[in-house]
Formats: sequence, structure tokens, C-alpha cells
Amino acid sequence: AQSVAQPEDQVNVAEGNPLTVKCTYSVSGNPYLFWYVQYPNRGLQFLLKYITGDNLVKGSYGFEAEFNKSQTSFHLKKPSALVSDSALYFCAVRGRSGGYQKVTFGIGTKLQVIP
Amino acid sequence: SQTIHQWPATLVQPVGSPLSLECTVEGTSNPNLYWYRQAAGRGLQLLFYSVGIGQISSEVPQNLSASRPQDRQFILSSKKLLLSDSGFYLCAWSARGGNTEAFFGQGTRLTVV
Repeated sequence: AQSVAQPEDQVNVAEGNPLTVKCTYSVSGNPYLFWYVQYPNRGLQFLLKYITGDNLVKGSYGFEAEFNKSQTSFHLKKPSALVSDSALYFCAVRGRSGGYQKVTFGIGTKLQVIP
Repeated sequence: SQTIHQWPATLVQPVGSPLSLECTVEGTSNPNLYWYRQAAGRGLQLLFYSVGIGQISSEVPQNLSASRPQDRQFILSSKKLLLSDSGFYLCAWSARGGNTEAFFGQGTRLTVV
């Protein structure tokens, strides 16, 4: 069975500092990997995804993520955090085996950017 | 462009009453459709998914059911709500293909009293 771990319940970072939100996954074979962001009382918004190719993926709002196959990780990063980045972040994985593959989400990491 | 509509935004229902939440997608055809529940503002639990009209897969046995009467319409229902059905319900769609991201509706905050 596939799974996603987001080991940090909350990440606090000062505005202007770089941020990292961690994600590790377990799946049979090569994964598709996704990051989503959720603001209070709203639906999730897609940020970026890894399909194949370059391990560094760039997405919306200046976010990027690095796929590391050996460490089965897909950490979300941003060089300079904004207060408006404060939100709940979800990592998700989907396997590539034949047939329909559902997406598995992590439990989310709350990012708090401190002014 | 594609859009997803989910309503109502908030709902307060008494225990034992029926439920119907509706979700529609515009601007795409043959989407995969999903219902999720998010408890306590954290993890997402997949409740149902559908890959076509009338095709519903249930992930978790529960007091809820789903239907897909049209290609871009997905309905979440219950005949009798329980207190434990309270939560934040999210509808989502994705294009066919494993590498496609999901697009979420704005959610429905259901409180069962």
C-alpha cells in the first residue's frame, strides 16, 4: 500500500527566510508526486507535481520541490517566505501501476510565517 | 477553462435528517470525480471516487453514498445523518491519467446537531 508521511505538524519560519516542508513517501514503483496548499475554510489548490525528468520541480507562487528517489522524499521549498504563505500544505502520491490508481494524501503541515 | 462548483458552503442539519451535497464541473469531459472528508482541519479521507457515469467506488464503509447521474455531476448523500458525519467535505476532479493533478471545490462545512 502506498503512503505519505509529513513528519512536521507545524513549521515556523521568519518572513524572508527560506522554508522547507518535508514529505516522504512509499509506493510500489515510480511515483507521481504532488503538493497542494489549503487556506482556511477553502479547498485545496494545486502547487506543483513531479512526473519525470528534472528532479527539481518549480510551481506556483515561487515554490519548488526536489524529488529524491534514494531518500523517497519530495520536500517543498521556497527561497524567501512571505506572511501570505501561511497555510496548510499537503503532499500526495500516486503509483504508476496499471489500472486506476488513487491518490494518497499526507496529513498536512501547517506553515506559519512570522512577520 | 475548467471550474468546479460545490454547494452549499455551510450546512447545519439535525441528526437523522437526509443530506444531499452537489458538485458540478464545467469545461471538461469524462473527469474522474472525488468526494473527500477533512476532519479537524487536517488529513483528507477519500470517501468515493468515480471514473464514469454510474460508476462509484467506495473507500470507506459508512453512512454516506454517492451518485454520478451525469458526466460532470457528483452527489454525496445520506438518508440519516449521524453526529459523526460532521466535517468539511470536498469535491474534486481530475483529468484521466495518473499524472494529472486534482482540482478542488471550495468545500462544504457540515455540522450535524
